[in-house]
Amino acid sequence: RKEVEQDPGPFNVPEGATVAFNCTYSNSASQSFFWYRQDCRKEPKLLMSVYSSGNEDGRFTAQLNRASQYISLLIRDSKLSDSATYLCAVITGFSGGYNKLIFGAGTRLAVHP
Amino acid sequence: NAGVTQTPKFQVLKTGQSMTLQCAQDMNHEYMSWYRQDPGMGLRLIHYSVGAGITDQGEVPNGYNVSRSTTEDFPLRLLSAAPSQTSVYFCASSSETGETDTQYFGPGTRLTVL
Repeated sequence: RKEVEQDPGPFNVPEGATVAFNCTYSNSASQSFFWYRQDCRKEPKLLMSVYSSGNEDGRFTAQLNRASQYISLLIRDSKLSDSATYLCAVITGFSGGYNKLIFGAGTRLAVHP
Repeated sequence: NAGVTQTPKFQVLKTGQSMTLQCAQDMNHEYMSWYRQDPGMGLRLIHYSVGAGITDQGEVPNGYNVSRSTTEDFPLRLLSAAPSQTSVYFCASSSETGETDTQYFGPGTRLTVL
């Protein structure tokens, strides 16, 4: 089983729609959680961190469910410019090693007019 | 600040050749890492470093070597390139791997091994 799993999509949604992505992680000792955005053939960029209490940044809301070991990203009022791949990432410490940032395979979002 | 820089941007190698992918950051970050990205596979961690002189393996370390002699530089070496190493390679850095730390990525190196 992969450490971090995401539905690859693509999610095809019209402008103005609300779309949600989930990401599951396998290591219950995972400590920190993030959503990154990656545009085609570009480097990933941090979208938002995911805190235990959840957090919101404009149209974007991230939630953490430790009991079920998943994080979610909700995008409201989708814009054409939201079209990208969304990667979740988890910091996990391993016995005998250091903390590592592990990524999921990404979920592709396509917003159409 | 230039952030994270990577060279070269593109590279074509023949099977068995060796090369070094360069990565440098000017943000005085302690934590640096190398990822490869293949279609449908997302970013997979190759090696990482938590400071000068300290490196550790990630998810897919085989076929790659690293060293960290300075805080700024973290080169990735392919000793004998194989077609399976055709990929896009990203270097990243952060001040530490904490809850609020942002990983800054370089622009990537697109490597093709024939």
